[in-house]
Amino acid sequence: AQSVTQPDIHITVSEGASLELRCNYSYGATPYLFWYVQSPGQGLQLLLKYFSGDTLVQGIKGFEAEFKRSQSSFNLRKPSVHWSDAAEYFCAVVDNDYKLSFGAGTTVTVRA
Amino acid sequence: ETGVTQTPRHLVMGMTNKKSLKCEQHLGHNAMYWYKQSAKKPLELMFVYNFKEQTENNSVPSRFSPECPNSSHLFLHLHTLQPEDSALYLCASSQEISGNTIYFGEGSWLTVV
Repeated sequence: AQSVTQPDIHITVSEGASLELRCNYSYGATPYLFWYVQSPGQGLQLLLKYFSGDTLVQGIKGFEAEFKRSQSSFNLRKPSVHWSDAAEYFCAVVDNDYKLSFGAGTTVTVRA
Repeated sequence: ETGVTQTPRHLVMGMTNKKSLKCEQHLGHNAMYWYKQSAKKPLELMFVYNFKEQTENNSVPSRFSPECPNSSHLFLHLHTLQPEDSALYLCASSQEISGNTIYFGEGSWLTVV
């Protein structure tokens, strides 16, 4: 079975500082990988996805993620965080049965 | 606006009530999903429909009954729920079930009292 691990439950970052959220997956073949963001009281919004090709993927809201096969990782980054980036972030991977498996999520708090 | 609309956004129901959650997608997708999001737990896939046919029931209790009358609409009928069923229920859709990008609605917050 597919699994997705987000090692950090909660991250606090200062506004304007850089942010990196970690995601590791277990899968034998090249996975389909996603990052979603969930603001309080809202549904999940797709930030970016990786299917194949360039391992550095650009997404919305200034986010990017890099697929590293050797490390089974798909870490999300943003060079300068805004207060509106405070939310919960979910990494997800499509498994053999074409189902989307989610990590437990990382909550990001932005301090002024 | 993701193209997936859920109603109601908030629902409070007693354990003996019968209610329904509704989802509509305007994306022309063929696959629709129900997910459950509880506090401090990963998102749980409940049901998958592909071209109106149920392809996945992830061991969901029978007090949750899905219905998919067409590819654009998905319902979740609720009856005799338990307080532990209180959660955010998310509807989603994708073009196909084969690894396509899944788009989520805003969710329906359910509280069972």
